[in-house]
Parts: sequence; C-alpha cells; structure tokens
Amino acid sequence: DTEVTQTPKHLVMGMTNKKSLKCEQHMGHRAMYWYKQKAKKPPELMFVYSYEKLSINESVPSRFSPECPNSSLLNLHLHALQPEDSALYLCASSQGVYNEQFFGPGTRLTVL
Amino acid sequence: ELKVEQNPLFLSMQEGKNYTIYCNYSTTSDRLYWYRQDPGKSLESLFVLLSNGAVKQEGRLMASLDTKARLSTLHITAAVHDLSATYFCASIAPDSNYQLIWGAGTKLIIKP
Repeated sequence: DTEVTQTPKHLVMGMTNKKSLKCEQHMGHRAMYWYKQKAKKPPELMFVYSYEKLSINESVPSRFSPECPNSSLLNLHLHALQPEDSALYLCASSQGVYNEQFFGPGTRLTVL
Repeated sequence: ELKVEQNPLFLSMQEGKNYTIYCNYSTTSDRLYWYRQDPGKSLESLFVLLSNGAVKQEGRLMASLDTKARLSTLHITAAVHDLSATYFCASIAPDSNYQLIWGAGTKLIIKP
C-alpha cells in the first residue's frame, strides 16, 4: 500500500461545531504531517509528528488539536473554527523528517 | 534561513513548445523536490533530487539540480495540454528544522 488516505473529502461546519479530520498510511512511515493550503498558495506546515511524538507545532491556534493514536494514524480535531480557516487540509507522511513526503488527497473544509 | 524562489509564477504556452521553470534556494541544501498540483487536488511527487548534477526524467519533464548555483530547473519538452497544472519546488535543510520550504508555485497553462 503506497498511499495516504484522508477522510472526509469535504467538510462543512459551523463555527460552534466540533469535527475531526482523519489520515492513515500503511507505508511504515515514521513521520506524519498536517498542512493547510489556501487557494493559489503553497502548503503551510501546521504540525509534524515523528515516531508518534509531536515534534513541530507551527504556532497553530489552539482550535486545531492534532493527535497521533499510532504510527499509521493522524487526526486533526477542530473546534470553534473561524471562516478564515476554510482551506484544503493535507496530510502527508515520510520515512523520516528528511525524506520525500507523500500527500493524501486532502479534506476541503468550509467554515460557515 | 532557507528560502526558495520560483520563476516564473505564471506561464502560458502553446502545445509543442519547450520551456523551463527555475527554482533558486538560499542556503546549502542537498535535496530538492518537485511536486505537481492539479486544480482542487492534492500534491503529487514528481522528482527527488539528492545530489549535485542529479538529473531525472519522466516523460516530457526533466529536472536537474546544481547545488553550487543553488538552482534546480524543471524543463518541459514539447508541451501537451495534460501537463497544465501548478508546479512547486521545495527544499529542506538542517537550518529549516528539516521542514520543507516551498516555492510560490508556477501555474502552467498549455494551450492546444
């Protein structure tokens, strides 16, 4: 299995909702990432997990909460988001933090 | 601090023509990545360049790396419409805390 999967593909939520994005990989990769991408911009790194431990948190607001239950799974819990948080959220994985990253299909998030 | 600059940011060309996208980076790095992104889609890894003088080719795309000039190029030969996409280069270095640093992207439109 050489792919990263993400669910859901699309998500519409209100500012008071709580939702979660899920990411899974079965390539044995030990690093997993969350990125946020706005239209016509490169991806912005949000979080990096290395060996299931959070190693980088790029000053992301606390309304985004990552979780890595095991080496194959990565979640992003969302709470009290703002309309400006609407974006494509991408998960990626790599063998290590210095290796090629493989991206999932993304979740298109709309916050109303 | 590692910075990555791409040019041009936008390129419109006719089918059958050749063109080159340039990617400059600011500090010592020995790895350079090229990704493709179709509208509304995720990022697809195209090339990983790991050493000075590295050249990789896939179909009508060829990427090269000159670490002394801190320059990578993505050359398109005899462009076809299917190559229309946004192309990103990205680099990684110890002084970037092993985070991918992205270029702004080149939006390529190939007209029949």
